Amino acid sequence: EAGVVQSPRYKIIEKKQPVAFWCNPISGHNTLYWYLQNLGQGPELLIRYENEEAVDDSQLPKDRFSAERLKGVDSTLKIQPAELGDSAVYLCASSLGPNNEQFFGPGTRLTVL
Amino acid sequence: QQQVKQSPQSLIVQKGGISIINCAYENTAFDYFPWYQQFPGKGPALLIAIRPDVSEKKEGRFTISFNKSAKQFSLHIMDSQPGDSATYFCAARGADKLIFGTGTRLQVFP
Repeated sequence: EAGVVQSPRYKIIEKKQPVAFWCNPISGHNTLYWYLQNLGQGPELLIRYENEEAVDDSQLPKDRFSAERLKGVDSTLKIQPAELGDSAVYLCASSLGPNNEQFFGPGTRLTVL
Repeated sequence: QQQVKQSPQSLIVQKGGISIINCAYENTAFDYFPWYQQFPGKGPALLIAIRPDVSEKKEGRFTISFNKSAKQFSLHIMDSQPGDSATYFCAARGADKLIFGTGTRLQVFP
């Protein structure tokens, strides 16, 4: 069974530029999560989707971050404009439901110069 | 109240030794306590988990000890192996959200 797929794996951009990350969850998983992981820290939830509905986006900085999960499958996380402090690993995870085991993708490492 | 405090930050253990990582929480509404293992360049992967109505859970060389009254839980890795070298995160779930600790970098030397 294929795991959670994320792309790109690495991204280097100049500050103020836009950037987008893509996630393909495990087939059949209705719940999708985006996490932010700073160096030396644990993952922090940015947004959780149940199918195509964002049910918890309280930690998403909505002035510059946006996310979508069209058709309840793949998801895209966007930052516009990026700031130096956005340099981190962005992890996507999926689960059958909100109380089931979460499976994480390998993450996208973003470097903002 | 939503924090999960994890210690130590790093741990060096000899092969065959016991690795112990500790976590503490405040929110009594947390209902599920997993441990995740993360290798460099990979996402975290579930290692073992426990619910608060159980005081201990063992899976192979990995054991969670849970002290509900003290609001603490710990991961014990018996017979630690070089392949166990990774970063370990404890977590706690409340309101369908996982709150992660800050991680422990474990290095097991031959």
